Amino acid sequence: QKEVEQDPGPLSVPEGAIVSLNCTYSNSAFQYFMWYRQYSRKGPELLMYTYSSGNKEDGRFTAQVDKSSKYISLFIRDSQPSDSATYLCAILSGGSYIPTFGRGTSLIVHP
Amino acid sequence: NAGVMQNPRHLVRRRGQEARLRCSPMKGHSHVYWYRQLPEEGLKFMVYLQKENIIDESGMPKERFSAEFPKEGPSILRIQQVVRGDSAAYFCASSAAGTSGKETQYFGPGTRLLVL
Repeated sequence: QKEVEQDPGPLSVPEGAIVSLNCTYSNSAFQYFMWYRQYSRKGPELLMYTYSSGNKEDGRFTAQVDKSSKYISLFIRDSQPSDSATYLCAILSGGSYIPTFGRGTSLIVHP
Repeated sequence: NAGVMQNPRHLVRRRGQEARLRCSPMKGHSHVYWYRQLPEEGLKFMVYLQKENIIDESGMPKERFSAEFPKEGPSILRIQQVVRGDSAAYFCASSAAGTSGKETQYFGPGTRLLVL
């Protein structure tokens, strides 16, 4: 079992839809949770990070962590074509500097 | 407010040549990480460096690959005697020193290496 599992997609949604992106992880020592967005042929860009269970909101983006289920989510409200990208989750244990990345989920938002 | 800089953005090498990839971290960052990304695969950690020190190279192949982060100048990832399987996007990331910064890494635009 991989440490971080993420469905590669692609996930195709119409403009305006609510998008749910998810990762599961196996190591309960993980404490920090991050979401990166990567446009085609670009570097990953940090979107959000959190270190606790619960929700964290930033504009149209909401990151959710459920440590009891080892499950993290990123919700995008009112999705736009400009949100089309690959979204990578990354998880870090408290004693490490090296995050473990998911494979990334490809999101396509069509007009 | 310059971010992480990498050059070159694209690099073409023939088999057996050397590839040198450079990374300048964000201002104020002293931790540098190198990753490799292949199509259909996620980011794979290669090496983690601080100034003049290799902290963790557990993800780097034992042969042909080396990395450094000198006191002055950019971090360098060197691949000697490249083979076609080295073709990939190589990303550098940096983070700030100290507890508050260690969990967030900021990535550069990557160097896309093509080995002919």
